[in-house]
Amino acid sequence: AQTVTQSQPEMSVQEAETVTLSCTYDTSESDYYLFWYKQPPSRQMILVIRQEAYKQQNATENRFSVNFQKAAKSFSLKISDSQLGDAAMYFCAYYLYSGGGADGLTFGKGTHLIIQP
Amino acid sequence: DAGVTQSPTHLIKTRGQQVTLRCSPKSGHDTVSWYQQALGQGPQFIFQYYEEEERQRGNFPDRFSGHQFPNYSSELNVNALLLGDSALYLCASSPGYGVKDTQYFGPGTRLTVL
Repeated sequence: AQTVTQSQPEMSVQEAETVTLSCTYDTSESDYYLFWYKQPPSRQMILVIRQEAYKQQNATENRFSVNFQKAAKSFSLKISDSQLGDAAMYFCAYYLYSGGGADGLTFGKGTHLIIQP
Repeated sequence: DAGVTQSPTHLIKTRGQQVTLRCSPKSGHDTVSWYQQALGQGPQFIFQYYEEEERQRGNFPDRFSGHQFPNYSSELNVNALLLGDSALYLCASSPGYGVKDTQYFGPGTRLTVL
């Protein structure tokens, strides 16, 4: 079974600083996707960034970037120039593409990100 | 362009009752997945519907069932409710089964079982 581990239950960062959230996963598959989702208190799960396993280049979306280390099965999220609106739960998720269809997302337990003004 | 919508927002039931939650996918999406998120946990995959059939299922008992309609909207039914079924239920949609694409989530339905 695939597992996703987020080892930091909570992280705190000063506004405008940079923070990195950790994620490791366990799989024997080669074709999969990795995601970071953000869930603010409003509960809406919002896509932050995604990475396709076959792409070596790390994904970037504005202030958000990932460090994808396939051999180490590591997928960390870096948030640059942190803003108060970035405060939320952040979930790392794994998505296996099994040929005939896609299985559901497997999520980690989340990291609570606090932004200090 | 409407995103994924879910109803109701909140629901309170008692043990042993049955509940139905509803989801309308994002425009252009025909695949719907359901997730259960217990307090303080990440979401867990329940099942996925495409072409009105359940295609994939997570580790959930048969008390959890679903349906997808011709307009791609979906329902999640839970029978014989237990206290442990109290959770946020999230619906997600994506464009096409077997297509490598992102799932977009709705705001969720908070179910409380007393």
